[in-house]
Parts: sequence; structure tokens; C-alpha cells
Amino acid sequence: AQSVTQPDIHITVSEGASLELRCNYSYGATPYLFWYVQSPGQGLQLLLKYFSGDTLVQGIKGFEAEFKRSQSSFNLRKPSVHWSDAAEYFCAVAGSGYSTLTFGKGTMLLVSP
Amino acid sequence: NAGVTQTPKFQVLKTGQSMTLQCAQDMNHEYMSWYRQDPGMGLRLIHYSVGAGITDQGEVPNGYNVSRSTTEDFPLRLLSAAPSQTSVYFCASSYSWDVSYEQYFGPGTRLTVT
Repeated sequence: AQSVTQPDIHITVSEGASLELRCNYSYGATPYLFWYVQSPGQGLQLLLKYFSGDTLVQGIKGFEAEFKRSQSSFNLRKPSVHWSDAAEYFCAVAGSGYSTLTFGKGTMLLVSP
Repeated sequence: NAGVTQTPKFQVLKTGQSMTLQCAQDMNHEYMSWYRQDPGMGLRLIHYSVGAGITDQGEVPNGYNVSRSTTEDFPLRLLSAAPSQTSVYFCASSYSWDVSYEQYFGPGTRLTVT
């Protein structure tokens, strides 16, 4: 069965600093990978997705992620964090049959002034 | 195009009560799913459906029932609510033919069981 690990429960970053959120997945076949963001009390917003092709994926709000098959990783990055990026971030992999998602437990991003 | 809608947005139940969480989508998606979100646990799959008349269990199905009589609707039933079912519930849908398998999420239902 597939699984997703987000090693960091909380991360604090200074505004303007760079950000990297880690995600490791376990899946036997070609993975379909996603990053979602959730602001407090809100629903899920898709940041970006990887399903084939270029391993560096660009998303919304200036985020990007790099798929590394050899490391089973799909880390999310942003060169300069804004206070509005404070939220919880979830990495997910499409499950068998690709009709559902398996999520990591999330990483809470705090942005300090 | 309303996307994925969920009702109610908030609900408080007493232990033992029953209720149905509604989910509807107007995108003609074949796939629909229910997830629950608990602090520190991420989202976990409860039940899913790959088409009208077809449902299957996910990771945490106990205490929940589903049925799918139409493509548009996928209600989630709690037959006898328990405090452990206090959670935020999200419905999602997607196309079966979308090569990226992107899922579209509803706004969620926050359920409290006392």
C-alpha cells in the first residue's frame, strides 16, 4: 500500500527566507504526486502536481517541487516566503486505481517577521 | 459551475444520533471520495466510489455508510454518532480519464459529537 511521510510537523521560517518542505512517498508504480495547502479553517487548495515529464514542477503562488525517484521524494520549495504563506501543507500520492489520495500528516508552516 | 458542494458546513450531534453529510458535484466526475481530517493525522480516506452504484471502503470506514445512486451525489451516513467521529469531513471528486488524477475538494463539514 502507498504511504506518504512528511518528517516535519512544524517549520518556522523568517519572512523573505527560502523554504523547503520535505515529502517522501512509498509507491510501487509511477507515482502521481500532489501538494495541497490549507489555511486555518479553510478547505484544500492544490499548489502543484506531478504525473509525468519534467521532474521540476511549477505551481501557484511561486511554489515549485522536484520529483526525485531515486530518493522517493517530492519536496516543496519557495525562494522567498511571505507572511501569507503561513498555513498547513499536505503532500499526497494518488492511490491504486488513481481514484483516491493518500495524504501525509501535514507540515505547519509558521512565518516570523 | 458550482464544483463540489457540501452541506451542512457545521453540525453538532449528540452521541447515538444519526445524520447524513451531503456531497454533490456538477462536473460529471466518475470518482468521488470522503475523507476525514483530524489534527496531526492529515486526511484519511473513509469511503470512495468509482461510479454510480459502486462503492468501496477506505482506510477508516467503521461507523460510516455510503451509497451512490447518481453520478452527482455521494452522501455519507453516520448511523450512530460517537465522539470519535468529531472531525472535519471533506468530499472530493475527479475524472477517471484525467491523466493527472487531480481531485477537486469541497469546502468541508465540521462535525462535533458530544
